[in-house]
Amino acid sequence: AQSVTQPDIHITVSEGASLELRCNYSYGATPYLFWYVQSPGQGLQLLLKYFSGDTLVQGIKGFEAEFKRSQSSFNLRKPSVHWSDAAEYFCAVGAILDSGYALNFGKGTSLLVTP
Amino acid sequence: KAGVTQTPRYLIKTRGQQVTLSCSPISGHRSVSWYQQTPGQGLQFLFEYFSETQRNKGNFPGRFSGRQFSNSRSEMNVSTLELGDSALYLCASRLWPRGPKANTGELFFGEGSRLTVL
Repeated sequence: AQSVTQPDIHITVSEGASLELRCNYSYGATPYLFWYVQSPGQGLQLLLKYFSGDTLVQGIKGFEAEFKRSQSSFNLRKPSVHWSDAAEYFCAVGAILDSGYALNFGKGTSLLVTP
Repeated sequence: KAGVTQTPRYLIKTRGQQVTLSCSPISGHRSVSWYQQTPGQGLQFLFEYFSETQRNKGNFPGRFSGRQFSNSRSEMNVSTLELGDSALYLCASRLWPRGPKANTGELFFGEGSRLTVL
């Protein structure tokens, strides 16, 4: 079955520092991979997606992610973190289920940004 | 273009009651999915609807049900509420493109309905 692991439950970075959030997936074929962000009391906002092609994908808010098939990873990066980036980040893999489609989410990584 | 709209945003119920949540997808999106989010279990898939038919279902008891209308709007219902049903219920929509890419794509989420069961 498809699954996603986010090894880090909490991460703290200083404002202006670089950020990398880890994501590992388990999936037999080429996966559809996503990163979503959730601010407190809000829904999920799509940061970026990977379907095929270039393994380095650019997203909104200055985020990027790199798909590495050999490592089954899809890590999220940002060169310089802003205080407004503090939120919960979810990695997800798209899976065909019965005659439909669903996302399997990781447990999330909570990002704290310090001054 | 308006996003996914969910109502109500917050509600409080007592054990044994039932609740109905509503979702209006992005215009042109034909698939609606529902997810439950709790601190312990994280984000879990409930079901997906397309063309007024349930296409797939997650591992939830029969107390959780849903439906979709001809305008793609969807409702989900939880009967005989339990304390453990307290959660954020998120609705998401996607295009459901024709052909071999029907089961692909990104989901666009609403802000959720926060259900508290007392």
